[in-house]
Amino acid sequence: DTEVTQTPKHLVMGMTNKKSLKCEQHMGHRAMYWYKQKAKKPPELMFVYSYEKLSINESVPSRFSPECPNSSLLNLHLHALQPEDSALYLCASSQKTSGVYNEQFFGPGTRLTVL
Amino acid sequence: AQKITQTQPGMFVQEKEAVTLDCTYDTSDQSYGLFWYKQPSSGEMIFLIYQGSYDEQNATEGRYSLNFQKARKSANLVISASQLGDSAMYFCATFSGGYNKLIFGAGTRLAVHP
Repeated sequence: DTEVTQTPKHLVMGMTNKKSLKCEQHMGHRAMYWYKQKAKKPPELMFVYSYEKLSINESVPSRFSPECPNSSLLNLHLHALQPEDSALYLCASSQKTSGVYNEQFFGPGTRLTVL
Repeated sequence: AQKITQTQPGMFVQEKEAVTLDCTYDTSDQSYGLFWYKQPSSGEMIFLIYQGSYDEQNATEGRYSLNFQKARKSANLVISASQLGDSAMYFCATFSGGYNKLIFGAGTRLAVHP
């Protein structure tokens, strides 16, 4: 199994809603990532988990709350989002947590629309 | 800080022809890696090819090859025998600030015409 899965595929939420994005990998990878990609822009890193511990937070607003319950699962909890948070949210994983060759495998993404 | 520059917002190529997508990078690291990803309209980022800074040979993966010119700090992607399914956004990327933070160039949108 060499894939990263993400659910849901699409999500529409209001600014007062609470929702969660889910990401799963069964490749035994030790690092997992959340990226945000606005339309016509490259992905931008949000969070990195290494060995289930948060290792990088790219100054993301607290309305985004990541969680790594176990080595295969990564969640992104959303609360009180703004319309400008509408984007494609990509999850990725990598076998290693360091090293120059550390290929990241990406999931298909969740397209989020905040009304 | 590391930086990736892709100067071609859009490219088009005839089916079965070869195409080169440009990528230049700026890094102060002695050891680094360069990646190319493909992103179809569906959204998934698909890893294509990797080049390490100490690799003596240019990387190749099937129809993809990387024209790595270290002195010029360029890592261009060459796609041979283009197919209609190659139409997508292509991103060049490298690590910044450690080996977990992948940064991407602005991307090049490739259109393959029949």
